Amino acid sequence: LAKTTQPISMDSYEGQEVNITCSHNNIATNDYITWYQQFPSQGPRFIIQGYKTKVTNEVASLFIPADRKSSTLSLPRVSLSDTAVYYCLVGDGGWNSGGYQKVTFGTGTKLQVIP
Amino acid sequence: EAQVTQNPRYLITVTGKKLTVTCSQNMNHEYMSWYRQDPGLGLRQIYYSMNVEVTDKGDVPEGYKVSRKEKRNFPLILESPSPNQTSLYFCASSFSGGKIYEQFFGPGTRLTVL
Repeated sequence: LAKTTQPISMDSYEGQEVNITCSHNNIATNDYITWYQQFPSQGPRFIIQGYKTKVTNEVASLFIPADRKSSTLSLPRVSLSDTAVYYCLVGDGGWNSGGYQKVTFGTGTKLQVIP
Repeated sequence: EAQVTQNPRYLITVTGKKLTVTCSQNMNHEYMSWYRQDPGLGLRQIYYSMNVEVTDKGDVPEGYKVSRKEKRNFPLILESPSPNQTSLYFCASSFSGGKIYEQFFGPGTRLTVL
């Protein structure tokens, strides 16, 4: 699986847009990019997934440049309830790895939203 | 309601006393996995299972065993727990194959080994 690098922490004021960037220089052709959110003492929750360009859902947007060596999770107008750890994962889910689904979450980015 | 359940949610035990943490999912998922989470280390995968009777090691399998006799259940076994296995444990499940998966996580089991 491709290794990912994210900032350890970020602070933002309520109502602002937050962009969290993930670097994945060794991403493979068949890899997808997936983001999870985790609140304290809860399991991670899937936010968004993409392969290239831009993906948007009701929670966030995911921007992926043409070279796919990085991606940016964008959270519009954050609120205090968005304070959480955000993880970026890269992989192909085993489809091209003979069913291999070893998963690496890394340490994530701790987002603190300030009133 | 689609969910992943874990039991117990909290457990305090002593070194060497065998224990099992159960995990069950009702979504007919092929893939199941166990993670541990420790401060500053993020989530680390212990074992995963692609389907019944198919399991493999994750990044930190030492000191743990798993079995997958039924599709819905994936218990985590600590045959001789040690204090360094004190951690927050999560079970997760997803469909398998195709493009990358959305994993559904259980509520977590906080284990303390004295």
